Amino acid sequence: EADIYQTPRYLVIGTGKKITLECSQTMGHDKMYWYQQDPGMELHLIHYSYGVNSTEKGDLSSESTVSRIRTEHFPLTLESARPSHTSQYLCASSEWVSGANVLTFGAGSRLTVL
Amino acid sequence: GENVEQHPSTLSVQEGDSAVIKCTYSDSASNYFPWYKQELGKRPQLIIDIRSNVGEKKDQRIAVTLNKTAKHFSLHITETQPEDSAVYFCAARKNDYKLSFGAGTTVTVRA
Repeated sequence: EADIYQTPRYLVIGTGKKITLECSQTMGHDKMYWYQQDPGMELHLIHYSYGVNSTEKGDLSSESTVSRIRTEHFPLTLESARPSHTSQYLCASSEWVSGANVLTFGAGSRLTVL
Repeated sequence: GENVEQHPSTLSVQEGDSAVIKCTYSDSASNYFPWYKQELGKRPQLIIDIRSNVGEKKDQRIAVTLNKTAKHFSLHITETQPEDSAVYFCAARKNDYKLSFGAGTTVTVRA
């Protein structure tokens, strides 16, 4: 089934560790995004990509980095995790439907940094 | 960038009553306004959207209205049911592909 998949769903790690959150979509969408969702629920765009080899910073500054080597894959990396990085990270992709850019979200990766 | 404000942050309604959530946006160039519903522990999902060339759109018990002059749009849920309990997010977008979300409204439908 065409969908957007995120792994891991839950991750608890210690300070200073390097982590990569995986995001893959099988829908053939060019545009992909990473949103950070804090316990207060608000969704903040931290990275986006218009296609292969395209990556841009979002509206909320983040110490994470992303890459887009393949259309279907948009991983997010934290080189040295800190407790302030504790959050839920939602990956999304989008397509044009009836003239509107419709976002489809993944199930999220909940990161806890001790 | 676009700034979207959403009110109220929490809303409790009796089953069968209506719920209204309001959002304002700052950038008059925004032309697409979707609403997402996020149930507890699940991903946000699109429930309805409206473009700037339309003033109102309805889908069964859900409707959205847009006032471009005042730069605000609203979600209306009629005859609320327990399964309507969730967090609702409004969003706005210009001609790029980035959506700016409101802070969310937690809706609780009391049986």
